[in-house]
Amino acid sequence: DIQMTQSPSSLSASVGDRVTITCRASQSISSYLNWYQQKPGKAPKLLIYAASSLQSGVPSRFSGSGSGTDFTLTISSLQPEDFATYYCQQSYSTPNFGPGTKVDIK
Amino acid sequence: QVQLVQSGAEVKKPGASVKVSCKASGYTFTSYGISWVRQAPGQGLEWMGWISAYNGNTNYAQKLQGRVTMTTDTSTSTAYMELRSLRSDDTAVYYCARDGYYYGSGSPHWGQGTLVTVSS
Repeated sequence: DIQMTQSPSSLSASVGDRVTITCRASQSISSYLNWYQQKPGKAPKLLIYAASSLQSGVPSRFSGSGSGTDFTLTISSLQPEDFATYYCQQSYSTPNFGPGTKVDIK
Repeated sequence: QVQLVQSGAEVKKPGASVKVSCKASGYTFTSYGISWVRQAPGQGLEWMGWISAYNGNTNYAQKLQGRVTMTTDTSTSTAYMELRSLRSDDTAVYYCARDGYYYGSGSPHWGQGTLVTVSS
């Protein structure tokens, strides 16, 4: 099984900050990496698919990069509605999610 | 627009079974697969499995093999997830999610979630 890790597990940031979240796979997953945002009590929302493709309707301040084993999600200028938990997911083999990164208000 | 509407909350006793439904609308049901994901209280997301709505092929998470069955009813555009021999650690919100346009494009559409509580 492919193991997914994320760092940090949580972070505190201010509105306007640039935020970067890292996701690492235990083996190469090419670009089969998706990013989701989840707010409390809500279903996850797809932000980025195939490592760097922005899902339709998602603000351009979100971007993804990476391939192989190391990936990043960047929020260029954090907005109040971006405080949430972010999960990476690999779909190279039997899919699974990373443990999540909680972004809260500093 | 694409919608996935799930069945309501369930309370079950340990050892029982639960069957959650996910009714799809707004697209051709047989053109996309459906994944099931669950989330225990305060925990992360756990992928449970996937079913092709085209031919019924399935792929289950190894830890759930033998306890979970995913099916579809193309006549009603509904997907089902049945979990048997329920334990307290199966208490979670269960989500269905539709595939993207091609493999590797994630799950852009999700149901609202169904809370399953397992308690004696």
